[in-house]
Amino acid sequence: QKEVEQNSGPLSVPEGAIASLNCTYSDRGSQSFFWYRQYSGKSPELIMFIYSNGDKEDGRFTAQLNKASQYVSLLIRDSQPSDSATYLCAVTPLVFGKGTRLSVIA
Amino acid sequence: DGGITQSPKYLFRKEGQNVTLSCEQNLNHDAMYWYRQDPGQGLRLIYYSQIVNDFQKGDIAEGYSVSREKKESFPLTVTSAQKNPTAFYLCASSRYGQLNEKLFFGSGTQLSVL
Repeated sequence: QKEVEQNSGPLSVPEGAIASLNCTYSDRGSQSFFWYRQYSGKSPELIMFIYSNGDKEDGRFTAQLNKASQYVSLLIRDSQPSDSATYLCAVTPLVFGKGTRLSVIA
Repeated sequence: DGGITQSPKYLFRKEGQNVTLSCEQNLNHDAMYWYRQDPGQGLRLIYYSQIVNDFQKGDIAEGYSVSREKKESFPLTVTSAQKNPTAFYLCASSRYGQLNEKLFFGSGTQLSVL
């Protein structure tokens, strides 16, 4: 059974700080990793995807992948109250983590 | 505008009743997916289809059924065998159904039991 583990939170950070969200996965053969943001009562939207070891940056977001340790993380720089949401880690479209709830305090 | 349309937005089911959730896409995507989300939980895969007239069970298929008679449509039936159907149901699609593709989601259907 392929599994994806996330800390459910809530993770609270002050406005302007860096938020760090982590995800571990069980299937060592996994190749594709996605971060989706979901606001309460809404559907998820893709914010980052990563396939290769290392970092991938897009604006205030950085995804980090370490296949040897089987973890993928998402960093949000200069966090804003509008970033308050649940962040879902997915390993392929078929397996999602339970999500981490992020709260950015103004 | 291209996208995925789910209907209805809210649905109520009586004991012993089957209900069907609609999902239509005009993105010309090959693959479609159904997920269930319980409060404070992530998405769990119910069924997915990579091609017309073919579909595969996900982790929690028991008590659900699907059909894929047309490329653009992937309805989900919640049968009376599903004893705890109250949840938020999400339909999604991807271009070719490959594991490295992102998902496009519909706006969801909230199903409740009367």
